[in-house]
Amino acid sequence: QQQVKQSPQSLIVQKGGISIINCAYENTAFDYFPWYQQFPGKGPALLIAIRPDVSEKKEGRFTISFNKSAKQFSLHIMDSQPGDSATYFCAADGTGGGNKLTFGTGTQLKVEL
Amino acid sequence: GAVVSQHPSRVICKSGTSVKIECRSLDFQATTMFWYRQFPKKSLMLMATSNEGSKATYEQGVEKDKFLINHASLTLSTLTVTSAHPEDSSFYICSAILTSSYNEQFFGPGTRLTVL
Repeated sequence: QQQVKQSPQSLIVQKGGISIINCAYENTAFDYFPWYQQFPGKGPALLIAIRPDVSEKKEGRFTISFNKSAKQFSLHIMDSQPGDSATYFCAADGTGGGNKLTFGTGTQLKVEL
Repeated sequence: GAVVSQHPSRVICKSGTSVKIECRSLDFQATTMFWYRQFPKKSLMLMATSNEGSKATYEQGVEKDKFLINHASLTLSTLTVTSAHPEDSSFYICSAILTSSYNEQFFGPGTRLTVL
């Protein structure tokens, strides 16, 4: 199975709150899990990525939590800001990267004042 | 580093004409580039993998004679939409692999194609 399931489809968070987006996969050959941020009319930008040898990776306000046994990973945005309002895509790749990314369906995040 | 550009950013053309979109890796060489298509409020759909010096590999359901891909150099891949029709209107995005950075994909800013 090549699918990556992403939820929720949309999310509204108050400024300063925590935004949580979840993804699940089935293909155990996946070993690279990036998150992309996309603003309207722009291309996706790599936000943060994780490999299965660690359960968590943190970069600034962004944290990926990875559960290998459950085949799930999530993005946490701490202290969410209005500038974080964008569409977020999780993705997965196999054989160490360099192959085709399988994208989730996307989550539209809106951070309200 | 790892900047990918696309040109043009927007293009409007008449039905039946062909449109060429360029994708360039500005500060690195990319033997592999990808072309995606994205509909409004939808995820990215991979169209094809572009390999420098060889034929592109198309995803199932993507017409290779409709979407011509050329990857003539390590910094440039082009997508030509031939005999464009209104249903080809979409947001086209390319990406390039940076092999020195764990093969991470870096995306271009996208090209909005509108076929009248």
